[in-house]
Amino acid sequence: DAKTTQPPSMDCAEGRAANLPCNHSTISGNEYVYWYRQIHSQGPQYIIHGLKNNETNEMASLIITEDRKSSTLILPHATLRDTAVYYCIASHGSSNTGKLIFGQGTTLQVKP
Amino acid sequence: AAGVIQSPRHLIKEKRETATLKCYPIPRHDTVYWYQQGPGQDPQFLISFYEKMQSDKGSIPDRFSAQQFSDYHSELNMSSLELGDSALYFCASSPSGYNEQFFGPGTRLTVL
Repeated sequence: DAKTTQPPSMDCAEGRAANLPCNHSTISGNEYVYWYRQIHSQGPQYIIHGLKNNETNEMASLIITEDRKSSTLILPHATLRDTAVYYCIASHGSSNTGKLIFGQGTTLQVKP
Repeated sequence: AAGVIQSPRHLIKEKRETATLKCYPIPRHDTVYWYQQGPGQDPQFLISFYEKMQSDKGSIPDRFSAQQFSDYHSELNMSSLELGDSALYFCASSPSGYNEQFFGPGTRLTVL
C-alpha cells in the first residue's frame, strides 16, 4: 500500500472551508484514496473515497490531481464538530485487500 | 440504522491473563477488520476476515488469535496479556465489493 503524507495540524475558522492536503506520490493505479476522520477516541468514520475523478458527497469533496500523486479533502463549511484527526489512506478497497493503513493524519482544529 | 457492536466496551485485566473481545458486524456485512490503537497512536491493522476465512494479517502478536463465525461475528482472543496491550481495539465491517469500512465504538482494554 502506498504511503501518504499529511501536515500534522491545521486550523480553520468556523463556517469557512477547510482544505486538507495529502501527498501519495507512490500510489498504484488500482489504489483508491480514502479519507476517514476520528473524533477523540471514537471509531474512525468514513468520509469519502475516489480513484481518479473528483468526488462529492454530503460531507465533503475530494479533489484528486490528474497524476494522482496528491489530493485535497474539502469540508465546505467547517463546524466545531468537524474538529478531529483526518486520515488520508491509499488502499485497494476489496474484501481481500481492503485493510486501512493509518498514517500520522492531520489534526484539524475548527475555531469559533 | 444498525451499527457495528463491540463488547465489552471496557475491560480491565491483569498481566498474563486472557481476554476475549467480540464484534458483531452490521447485518449482511461479510468482512470484518480488527485494529489496535495505543495511547496517543494511530490505529494499526491487526487482522481481517472475509466470508469466515482470514483474508489478511497485519502486526498481530502471536499471543493473539481471531476468528469469524458462521453468523459473521468475530472474536479476538488475547492471551498472556502484557502492559503494552493496553489500547483501544476497533472492529470494522464492510459488505463485499464495497469500499467503505464502518467502525464500531471500540473496546478499551486496560492491562494492570
